[in-house]
Parts: sequence; structure tokens; C-alpha cells
Amino acid sequence: KAGVTQTPRYLIKTRGQQVTLSCSPISGHRSVSWYQQTPGQGLQFLFEYFSETQRNKGNFPGRFSGRQFSNSRSEMNVSTLELGDSALYLCASSRWDGANYGYTFGSGTRLTVV
Amino acid sequence: TQLLEQSPQFLSIQEGENLTVYCNSSSVFSSLQWYRQEPGEGPVLLVTVVTGGEVKKLKRLTFQFGDARKDSSLHITAAQTGDTGLYLCAGTISNFGNEKLTFGTGTRLTIIP
Repeated sequence: KAGVTQTPRYLIKTRGQQVTLSCSPISGHRSVSWYQQTPGQGLQFLFEYFSETQRNKGNFPGRFSGRQFSNSRSEMNVSTLELGDSALYLCASSRWDGANYGYTFGSGTRLTVV
Repeated sequence: TQLLEQSPQFLSIQEGENLTVYCNSSSVFSSLQWYRQEPGEGPVLLVTVVTGGEVKKLKRLTFQFGDARKDSSLHITAAQTGDTGLYLCAGTISNFGNEKLTFGTGTRLTIIP
């Protein structure tokens, strides 16, 4: 079966711009989580969506937002980009309880802010 | 403060040797997961452990969850070059339906042929 698909794979943006990243989970998976990965901070939890509702949120500023659609596809948006937002953004999906039973991750979107 | 500390941070050994990676915390976890991540890819789930003292084996990999559910270890027997990658532990603290997964600092493993 198809895995978790993230688009685009690579993105270069300028400071102050905004960006939207997309994630299509595995068919049947209703939970989608987003993580930011950087060399200095490792994997940091952004937020989780389940059945179109944000179920959990990490400690990121309000510039980071997300949403989930009725087909479980999810998008995350970062407004007013800063240099420090450069990172690998990973999306992960699970049937309903990935925090306890495990997630399937996508290959990520590499965002570079210049 | 990092909730989950992994050690060592970097490990480079010869093919055929054994190794152990540790994941430690002062918090109690309802479950703990291990992932391996290769360059340019997302982490891949290796195992989930939920019971204190639980031991799981995946071919040459042995995972153990501490009795108090505060720590875990990953032991690899007869390492192969294909084991090279970033190993991440990740734990969940039960919060009545509001669980989230917290990742450790990672161990970068290099197996030298």
C-alpha cells in the first residue's frame, strides 16, 4: 500500500514569506502528526490532527498552524518565515493512536529559509 | 531540558561487533518506540514496547524496556553495514487521550565494513 506522501520534497523561501506543506497519510489512517527536525533540537512535535480536529499541540509559536481535511490529508502553514525555520518537516500518520502504537513517517519536506 | 537522553550520541564500530544504545529519562512512559532514520528519509518504526521489563527481538536487534518504564536499550548483535543510521527512541506519557510522542536526542551509528 502507498506510504505517507509529503509534498514538496524541497523548498526554498525568503524570510518573511509564508509556506504551505502537504501530507497525504496512509489510506485508513485518521491521525496525522507533524514534526520539525533540526540538527540542534532533534525531532520536535508541532501538532496532531485526528478526524479534522487538532488533538494535541507542541510548543511552537502561532506562526505555525495546520489543518486536516475530511479525507485525512493535512497541511501545515508557516507564516512570516524566519531563518530558524529552516528544517526537515516530517509528517506521520497512524490509525488512531500512534503515540502509543507507532507512526509511519513520510520522507519529509526540506525547507530552507534564506 | 531534554526529556529523553540517548547515549552514546555517536558510535562507530566494525562490522561484526556488538553494540548497545541507551535511552534514559526521569519520567515514566506508558510506551516507548524505537525508530531508525536514514539520510533524506523519515524515521521508520522498529518496535513498540509497553510493559515494564518487556524484551522484544527483531532478528539481530534486541529491545528492552526498563522495569520502571523510565529507560530502554537497543542491542545489536553482529552489526552489519545496513544497520548504519540514526536511531531514535520516543516515549509517550499517558495523558488520558491527549498523548504525544517525545523523541530522544538520537544515536548516530556507523558500521565500518
